Amino acid sequence: GENVEQHPSTLSVQEGDSAVIKCTYSDSASNYFPWYKQELGKGPQLIIDIRSNVGEKKDQRIAVTLNKTAKHFSLHITETQPEDSAVYFCAASTEGGGADGLTFGKGTHLIIQP
Amino acid sequence: EAGVTQSPTHLIKTRGQQATLRCSPISGHTSVYWYQQALGLGLQFLLWYDEGEERNRGNFPPRFSGRQFPNYSSELNVNALELEDSALYLCASSLEPGSFYEQYFGPGTRLTVT
Repeated sequence: GENVEQHPSTLSVQEGDSAVIKCTYSDSASNYFPWYKQELGKGPQLIIDIRSNVGEKKDQRIAVTLNKTAKHFSLHITETQPEDSAVYFCAASTEGGGADGLTFGKGTHLIIQP
Repeated sequence: EAGVTQSPTHLIKTRGQQATLRCSPISGHTSVYWYQQALGLGLQFLLWYDEGEERNRGNFPPRFSGRQFPNYSSELNVNALELEDSALYLCASSLEPGSFYEQYFGPGTRLTVT
């Protein structure tokens, strides 16, 4: 089955700086890669996703890049703000492969220092 | 538009008992997924229901079961509770079947087994 590794486990950045979270996956058939943000006491919130037919996707301060050859994808947050503090999860799945649901990384605790 | 709702918010049970958790998907969504988020283990796929049928399950024992009702709401049952079943149980729904499509999560049910 799919295995997703996520780094770092904790990331502390100054407010206004950029943050980058990286994930690698093992199954070359995976073709859908969502990112979720989870705040304390809440369920994960889908913030951006990318499918394998594109290499990059951007939504305001958030961007995701995908390198299918290297089997890794990254989340980039620019101009970080205090409300960006949360745990971020990457995930991977395969079209038609609802069999295993989404496979998640272990999460990154992002801390925005004022 | 109302999001995914789950009940109860918290549930405390004794080892050996049974727990029942409930989920209502976003209106119009027919697929429901259950995930377990245990401390240190991240989010793990449990079960997937679509159009009233169990489509697949993750690597969990048979004492984890559930069903989906005609209105697409779902129920997760955990029999013969063990201490390690203590976790946050998350429900997600999607408009299209299969984990290739966007999944939206509810706030979760915190199950504590003593």
